Amino acid sequence: DQQVKQNSPSLSVQEGRISILNCDYTNSMFDYFLWYKKYPAEGPTFLISISSIKDKNEDGRFTVFLNKSAKHLSLHIVPSQPGDSAVYFCAALLPGNNRKLIWGLGTSLAVNP
Amino acid sequence: KAGVTQTPRYLIKTRGQQVTLSCSPISGHRSVSWYQQTPGQGLQFLFEYFSETQRNKGNFPGRFSGRQFSNSRSEMNVSTLELGDSALYLCASSQRSHSYEQYFGPGTRLTVT
Repeated sequence: DQQVKQNSPSLSVQEGRISILNCDYTNSMFDYFLWYKKYPAEGPTFLISISSIKDKNEDGRFTVFLNKSAKHLSLHIVPSQPGDSAVYFCAALLPGNNRKLIWGLGTSLAVNP
Repeated sequence: KAGVTQTPRYLIKTRGQQVTLSCSPISGHRSVSWYQQTPGQGLQFLFEYFSETQRNKGNFPGRFSGRQFSNSRSEMNVSTLELGDSALYLCASSQRSHSYEQYFGPGTRLTVT
């Protein structure tokens, strides 16, 4: 059972526009959320994170929003650039001694020039 | 600083055989985690090693094992290979145990025929 769900396998956006990638989770115990980006033939790269005590974190063109009541987070990329074309993974961290990342299946973003 | 390296990059094995994959973390990183990535399941956590000790383990059968050496390099072994073990195996390193900011290698693509 997927505890972290990325319901859109793919997304296509025009260069310069906003890209919004969504992620839903089922376990209210998650206390930290992360987004990773993955290019073909490379491993995932850490992008941005947010603690469960916050509702927004911004880093340049990337902003992550967290809605705990809805168990939903989103990644906004503004403005989108062709180099942003990649697979984006949402991941959530369980607290406690056996902390581990639970990953979504990813959303493939294509930014068209 | 050199990134995480994994060898080999590609591997083809036959059912019933065993395989050993290698991971060299970023210099100074003492934690190494292993993940299995398949299209339907996404990234699944296998195990984490820190200072030569297994700190955390995912829900995989005992055929999957690993170890870490004193120089933090890690190996992962899969015995009695099954067709379903075909996947991309990713290694990630971080400075401390249970860290969420992990640096991934490019992965080893294992195909079992």
